[in-house]
Amino acid sequence: QLQLQESGPGLVKPSETLSLTCTVSGGSINSKHYYWGWIRQPPGNGPEWIGNINYSGSANYNPSLKGRVTISVDTSNNQFSLKVPSVTAADTAVYYCARLQTVITVFDNWGQGTLVTVSS
Amino acid sequence: NFMLTQPHSVSESPGKTVTISCTRSSGGIADNYVQWYQHRPGSSPTAVIYENYKRPSGVPDRFSGSIDSSSNSASLTISGLKTEDEADYYCQSYDSSAWLFGGGTKLTVL
Repeated sequence: QLQLQESGPGLVKPSETLSLTCTVSGGSINSKHYYWGWIRQPPGNGPEWIGNINYSGSANYNPSLKGRVTISVDTSNNQFSLKVPSVTAADTAVYYCARLQTVITVFDNWGQGTLVTVSS
Repeated sequence: NFMLTQPHSVSESPGKTVTISCTRSSGGIADNYVQWYQHRPGSSPTAVIYENYKRPSGVPDRFSGSIDSSSNSASLTISGLKTEDEADYYCQSYDSSAWLFGGGTKLTVL
């Protein structure tokens, strides 16, 4: 059974870089049938798609965040990662990693989510 | 890009039927598929409807989806409500290489 698990610091200081990793188990990240994505949900708000990446490293990003975030993939360790530099309190959210099917564009498997708080 | 607008909350009694709407702000609702996700507290979101009306394996047929071009909206209908259906529900669609979510609807079953 496919599982995704987010890992990274739960507290980041303003102006520093938020870094998260998603480890995929029970299946290979090295598949042309899926993209691997990051989604965040600020407190009290709906989800916000951050971006996706495929096994070859081809990524697309939310236009509202483009230029701020970077998603990378490490197929040898079955992981993909998110970096958000120069964070502010507005980046405080629960961050989820998820698998996206390429054909029907549905996020069919999600991690448990990890709360990242930006505060000094 | 467009926005997807959902009611903040709905409530209904066990055994009844409830419908949650998701209205697209611009462009046609039929232009891109709509998905629906259920998010129970303490759990990960799970898809309950994809491609407007299809149910993933394991989702009971009490859950159904539809779109209405006249109101430019999608709907999730849950019949025979159970207390376990109490959750947040999000609609999601896609446009120009961007995935968009609605703000979510809190369903209370009481």
